[in-house]
Amino acid sequence: KNQVEQSPQSLIILEGKNCTLQCNYTVSPFSNLRWYKQDTGRGPVSLTIMTFSENTKSNGRYTATLDADTKQSSLHITASQLSDSASYICVVSARGYQKVTFGTGTKLQVIP
Amino acid sequence: DAGVIQSPRHEVTEMGQEVTLRCKPISGHNSLFWYRQTMMRGLELLIYFNNNVPIDDSGMPEDRFSAKMPNASFSTLKIQPSEPRDSAVYFCASSYRPSGQGMNTEAFFGQGTRLTVV
Repeated sequence: KNQVEQSPQSLIILEGKNCTLQCNYTVSPFSNLRWYKQDTGRGPVSLTIMTFSENTKSNGRYTATLDADTKQSSLHITASQLSDSASYICVVSARGYQKVTFGTGTKLQVIP
Repeated sequence: DAGVIQSPRHEVTEMGQEVTLRCKPISGHNSLFWYRQTMMRGLELLIYFNNNVPIDDSGMPEDRFSAKMPNASFSTLKIQPSEPRDSAVYFCASSYRPSGQGMNTEAFFGQGTRLTVV
């Protein structure tokens, strides 16, 4: 069964600190993995997409990594800002047309 | 482009009533998705349209749920009769899927409709 597990479930950090969110998946055959950011009361917005051959991809202060062998991905946020407070959702797609599988998200709160 | 537009933003209804949620996808997109999000289950795909045709509706929970896409610029999700357990945020998303690709292209989400059934 395709599954995506994220950890931690929630996280509180001080403004300016770094943090890393984890995503483990069992989706097969793997096609790509996306990280979405969802602000409270809004729809998810894509941060990065990673395919099988990519190990690292950055989008500003966000850096995603992918280890296709261990089926793990991480999202690293550098120098956190209050606006980073949101839920971060890992979404994994299988090759060909199949349903995408969503993680339940990590709720990040950045405090001053 | 204004993005994916959903209406209403909030809906409160009594159990047993019919509820209709509306979605206008991004112009030029040919794929449309309806999702439901709850605290317990996260985001769940309900139904997926490609070129106005329903491709996968296996996520639709019951016969009480139905979705239509009469044209490329409009879709509805209807719940009849509604029940308290249908309370959730319903998202519509759209994407452009080139011919031959699966549903792996980036989906752009609307702001959602928060449904409360009392």
